[in-house]
Amino acid sequence: AQTVTQSQPEMSVQEAETVTLSCTYDTSESDYYLFWYKQPPSRQMILVIRQEAYKQQNATENRFSVNFQKAAKSFSLKISDSQLGDAAMYFCAQGSDGLTFGKGTHLIIQP
Amino acid sequence: DTGVSQDPRHKITKRGQNVTFRCDPISEHNRLYWYRQTLGQGPEFLTYFQNEAQLEKSRLLSDRFSAERPKGSFSTLEIQRTEQGDSAMYLCASSFNYGYTFGSGTRLTVV
Repeated sequence: AQTVTQSQPEMSVQEAETVTLSCTYDTSESDYYLFWYKQPPSRQMILVIRQEAYKQQNATENRFSVNFQKAAKSFSLKISDSQLGDAAMYFCAQGSDGLTFGKGTHLIIQP
Repeated sequence: DTGVSQDPRHKITKRGQNVTFRCDPISEHNRLYWYRQTLGQGPEFLTYFQNEAQLEKSRLLSDRFSAERPKGSFSTLEIQRTEQGDSAMYLCASSFNYGYTFGSGTRLTVV
């Protein structure tokens, strides 16, 4: 069975600082994708970043980047220059058809 | 195309009633997924379609849950004989080449 673990229920960071959210996973699949989604209080899941497991290069999207360690099954998200609009629940997910999600990390941005 | 559309946004029903939710995916997306999200948890995968074929349904929570995608476009999720434990947010997502887009969800409250 696939599992995704987010060990930080809540994280707090000062505006403009950098924060890293942790995620580990377990899977028997050889080909899969990894995702970070943001879910603001409005409840719509918004894709932050995607990583193909067969790619060694870490994905980046503007202020968002990942540290993908395939052997360790680790997929952390780094948010640089944190902004007030980054405040939300962040979910890590793994899979291909039918994603397995972690329980989420609540990110608080301190002004 | 404005994204994945779900209807209704909110549904309140009495225990024992049947409910049906609708999802309209992004038109170019051939895959459609249903998830359930309870408070404080990440989404839980239920089922998915590739065009009109339902390729995974073993993860549906019970035989009271069923889904259809009759013409490979919109999809419906039906819950028969609702129970209070069915109260949750039901999310639909569509994808093409593993780029998932989520809808805003249908919040079900069973009273």
